[in-house]
Amino acid sequence: DQQVKQNSPSLSVQEGRISILNCDYTNSMFDYFLWYKKYPAEGPTFLISISSIKDKNEDGRFTVFLNKSAKHLSLHIVPSQPGDSAVYFCAASANTGKLIFGQGTTLQVKP
Amino acid sequence: GAGVSQSPSNKVTEKGKDVELRCDPISGHTALYWYRQSLGQGLEFLIYFQGNSAPDKSGLPSDRFSAERTGGSVSTLTIQRTQQEDSAVYLCASSWDGGELFFGEGSRLTVL
Repeated sequence: DQQVKQNSPSLSVQEGRISILNCDYTNSMFDYFLWYKKYPAEGPTFLISISSIKDKNEDGRFTVFLNKSAKHLSLHIVPSQPGDSAVYFCAASANTGKLIFGQGTTLQVKP
Repeated sequence: GAGVSQSPSNKVTEKGKDVELRCDPISGHTALYWYRQSLGQGLEFLIYFQGNSAPDKSGLPSDRFSAERTGGSVSTLTIQRTQQEDSAVYLCASSWDGGELFFGEGSRLTVL
């Protein structure tokens, strides 16, 4: 049972344009959502998070949007840069603290 | 060190052998997680330790897998009688209670 789903395995965008990565979840008990970024041969690193009491959180070029009724969140990167090319994982947790990750989306930003 | 440390970084073993993977979390972090990433797959939850509570073992794929965390710090993931499908990168992460996870670089396991 895949509780957190990233249905797009890959995304390619042009440098300077917006990247939108999507994530859907099924467990209505999830109340905390995070995005992680992973480069090859490295562990994932934290990017941005949002709690269920908010619908938007912004940090520089990165914005996460949460639509609780649709059980959907998205990560917007604008403007996209070649250094943003990586695998992006969304993750969710209920108050148990256990983080469940999606399958990941590979973003390629072309110069 | 300042980050999560995992060893070995690479392990090649023969089918049927036992392996142990070690994780040194960030000092003071109360939570420790093990995940694995098989080729082309996402991050699969294995086990979660939080303080002195009983670990959440719901992600362990079979009884060949076990993990312990000694003294609330170092953790060892043990895989007995390894199979080829166990080949993956095993990632350890730690966090403050409810905080963001900090991951190690992973231990790449190859079972021949």
